[in-house]
Amino acid sequence: DVKVTQSSRYLVKRTGEKVFLECVQDMDHENMFWYRQDPGLGLRLIYFSYDVKMKEKGDIPEGYSVSREKKERFSLILESASTNQTSMYLCASSQGSGEKLFFGSGTQLSVL
Amino acid sequence: GQQLNQSPQSMFIQEGEDVSMNCTSSSIFNTWLWYKQDPGEGPVLLIALYKAGELTSNGRLTAQFGITRKDSFLNISASIPSDVGIYFCAGQVGNFNKFYFGSGTKLNVKP
Repeated sequence: DVKVTQSSRYLVKRTGEKVFLECVQDMDHENMFWYRQDPGLGLRLIYFSYDVKMKEKGDIPEGYSVSREKKERFSLILESASTNQTSMYLCASSQGSGEKLFFGSGTQLSVL
Repeated sequence: GQQLNQSPQSMFIQEGEDVSMNCTSSSIFNTWLWYKQDPGEGPVLLIALYKAGELTSNGRLTAQFGITRKDSFLNISASIPSDVGIYFCAGQVGNFNKFYFGSGTKLNVKP
């Protein structure tokens, strides 16, 4: 079975902290994605990566950066967390263009 | 970004009833995916559609890729309480597997 694992289910951080969200997939997928999900706004793409060390901005990259040093791992970094970054963060992966997108269980981040 | 209109926003039905929801867009999509999401969990893939006109089933669920490639439908037959959740459509256009998501249909099933 396909598995996308996000390191934390719940995180509470303070404003200004640097936050790392980790995601690992075990399917040797090329593409990995970070979305955030907010009530009334649906899922919005933050960043995606189609290869190791490659990254592309999504629709809302401001305030975030990403790292993909190994094929199976894609990290989302909040350089200086702010309260408006309180959200559910979802990692996903897929094999190729137009292929099925598989999600992790999500990380609910609260920034106080 | 692309606009995906999903309807209805929510549904309240009796156990055993059939359910229908759909997503429409002004853009042409190459792939449609349907997901179910339980509270506090990530979306789980239900059905994937790759060709215009394609009709695919997964148990009591059936989804169709619209002929115009601008819409997709999901039907659930004989609903049961565990069908409760939020159902999302996602459409892919262009390269790099970038998907756009509908706003979700919240399904409530009364036993």
